[in-house]
Amino acid sequence: EAQVTQNPRYLITVTGKKLTVTCSQNMNHEYMSWYRQDPGLGLRQIYYSMNVEVTDKGDVPEGYKVSRKEKRNFPLILESPSPNQTSLYFCASSKTGMPSYEQYFGPGTRLTVT
Amino acid sequence: RKEVEQDPGPFNVPEGATVAFNCTYSNSASQSFFWYRQDCRKEPKLLMSVYSSGNEDGRFTAQLNRASQYISLLIRDSKLSDSATYLCVVKGGNNDMRFGAGTRLTVKP
Repeated sequence: EAQVTQNPRYLITVTGKKLTVTCSQNMNHEYMSWYRQDPGLGLRQIYYSMNVEVTDKGDVPEGYKVSRKEKRNFPLILESPSPNQTSLYFCASSKTGMPSYEQYFGPGTRLTVT
Repeated sequence: RKEVEQDPGPFNVPEGATVAFNCTYSNSASQSFFWYRQDCRKEPKLLMSVYSSGNEDGRFTAQLNRASQYISLLIRDSKLSDSATYLCVVKGGNNDMRFGAGTRLTVKP
C-alpha cells in the first residue's frame, strides 16, 4: 500500500529536550516536505527536499532541522524545542514528474512542548 | 498580505446545492495549483490539480485565471460527505508550497 508514515503520532515533551519526528514514504517520490498546522494559520511549510541531499527552507524553518540521506526518509529534528513549536505536524511526498507535486500526506504528529 | 487567501467561511449549504470557493494568490511566478480537502484535523488529501484550461472530475470543477491570479472550485449537487475544509495550494517558482487557511463547508440534510 502506497503511504507516508510518521512517528510518533503523539508526543509530549519539555522545553529544550531534543526530539526527532520520522517520516518515510514507499512511493519512490523525489519531493518531500514538512508542514506545521496551527489554528487560523493553515499549513505552513517548514522545509522541503527535491531529492537526496537537497533541502530548502520553507516559510517557517526557524528552530527546525532536516536531512535527506535516503530517498524514502525525511526526518524533522527539533534541537531545542520551545512551547511555540507546539503544533500538528504533517510530512508529505510527491513526484516531480507528471502528475507533478500532487502530495500524499502522512497522518500527522501532534506535538506538545511544555 | 498572505500569499494565498481564501474565504474562511463557513459555508453552510443544503444537500444538492452548488457551492463555489475562490482563492487568490499574490506570487505571479506561481506554477502549479491544487485543491485539497481536510477532514477534522486529519491529513489533507488531494482533491484535484488545477490546469490552465480548467478541469472537471465528476461533480467538481476547478478553474484557473492567471491574469487575475485566482483559482476556483465548484461543487455541484453537494453531498453530506462533502463536508470538510477545502485547502487551496500554490506551488511557487522555487518549488515551495503555500497553503490557504482553508474554507470550511458544511452540507446539511
